[in-house]
Amino acid sequence: ELKVEQNPLFLSMQEGKNYTIYCNYSTTSDRLYWYRQDPGKSLESLFVLLSNGAVKQEGRLMASLDTKARLSTLHITAAVHDLSATYFCAVRGKLIFGQGTELSVKP
Amino acid sequence: GAGVSQSPRYKVAKRGQDVALRCDPISGHVSLFWYQQALGQGPEFLTYFQNEAQLDKSGLPSDRFFAERPEGSVSTLKIQRTQKEDSAVYLCASSGRLGGSGANEQFFGPGTRLTVL
Repeated sequence: ELKVEQNPLFLSMQEGKNYTIYCNYSTTSDRLYWYRQDPGKSLESLFVLLSNGAVKQEGRLMASLDTKARLSTLHITAAVHDLSATYFCAVRGKLIFGQGTELSVKP
Repeated sequence: GAGVSQSPRYKVAKRGQDVALRCDPISGHVSLFWYQQALGQGPEFLTYFQNEAQLDKSGLPSDRFFAERPEGSVSTLKIQRTQKEDSAVYLCASSGRLGGSGANEQFFGPGTRLTVL
């Protein structure tokens, strides 16, 4: 059974600090997705990572994929309050999601 | 807009009632997915259509759940004899314009929040 695990599940950050969210998955997948979900809202696509070594950046967020280690990271640089949300990684076609990381950025 | 739309946005049902949830995918998208998201959890796959064909229904939790997409566009998820444990947000996503890139990125609708009393 394919499992996707994220850590941490909860992250309280100070503005201006850097941190990384980790996403491990248990079997091979040729693609990995990162989504953002604000409370009571649907999922917003952030990144699609399609190959080993892929790195994508958008603003203060950078995502990378290591298919050999079955690991993806979402790095947050100089966090701001607007980044507060729950972040999900997901793999495969019929998406298998991690549990989500609830990020709270405090002044 | 040109995104995925779902209706109703909120539905309250008494236990035992039947409900029907509608999804309008992005125009031209071949693939359509339904997910169930319980409070505080990640979405879980329910079923998948390619055009009008239901190719995977392995995530449907019981035979009370039924989905269709008769003309390969709009889809309906039907839940018969609703139970309290069916309370969740039901998300629809679409992807895959013919001739598009291989990313198969899924675009999600706003969801239908179902509460069964």
